[in-house]
Amino acid sequence: GIQVEQSPPDLILQEGANSTLRCNFSDSVNNLQWFHQNPWGQLINLFYIPSGTKQNGRLSATTVATERYSLLYISSSQTTDSGVYFCAVPRSNYQLIWGAGTKLIIKP
Amino acid sequence: DGGITQSPKYLFRKEGQNVTLSCEQNLNHDAMYWYRQDPGQGLRLIYYSQIVNDFQKGDIAEGYSVSREKKESFPLTVTSAQKNPTAFYLCASRRNTGELFFGEGSRLTVL
Repeated sequence: GIQVEQSPPDLILQEGANSTLRCNFSDSVNNLQWFHQNPWGQLINLFYIPSGTKQNGRLSATTVATERYSLLYISSSQTTDSGVYFCAVPRSNYQLIWGAGTKLIIKP
Repeated sequence: DGGITQSPKYLFRKEGQNVTLSCEQNLNHDAMYWYRQDPGQGLRLIYYSQIVNDFQKGDIAEGYSVSREKKESFPLTVTSAQKNPTAFYLCASRRNTGELFFGEGSRLTVL
């Protein structure tokens, strides 16, 4: 089955820094989602991005489907960006395969 | 305000007791999901439902049961057969495009 790998597994940055998180997948997919899990556990849907680039404030994401990867960019990091970032791709029409996540810590 | 509501947020249970976690959505989504998350780990699928009166087992369904009698509601029962029920439980619903949206989660602790 399809494999999803995220890197790096952990990232510690100072407030104000920029970061790039990567999601590789082993087979072609027709959509990809990025989520942020905050320290209280809530999962927030960041981007639904099958291909191309999307931006939302300080966050942007790019998926290059032909090369089987997606990147999540966070600019001018804030402490509220801390948490775990997951990417997920479809395993079937109704199921997702999840990456193991990137744990991001932003220090003030 | 549209969204997914899970309750309770925190729940304590004695060993041998069944407990039911509530999940309600007003997003008019057909598909709903239950995931389990253990500390420091990713999400594992317990059950999902594509439509009312239908549901399928996920990867770790043993010791859990669900029902889908209404479009808005997808409750999860953690039975006494679940050997390690202490975990964080997340409910989600799916837009027709495939996007998933989550509730705030329920933390279950077995004493």
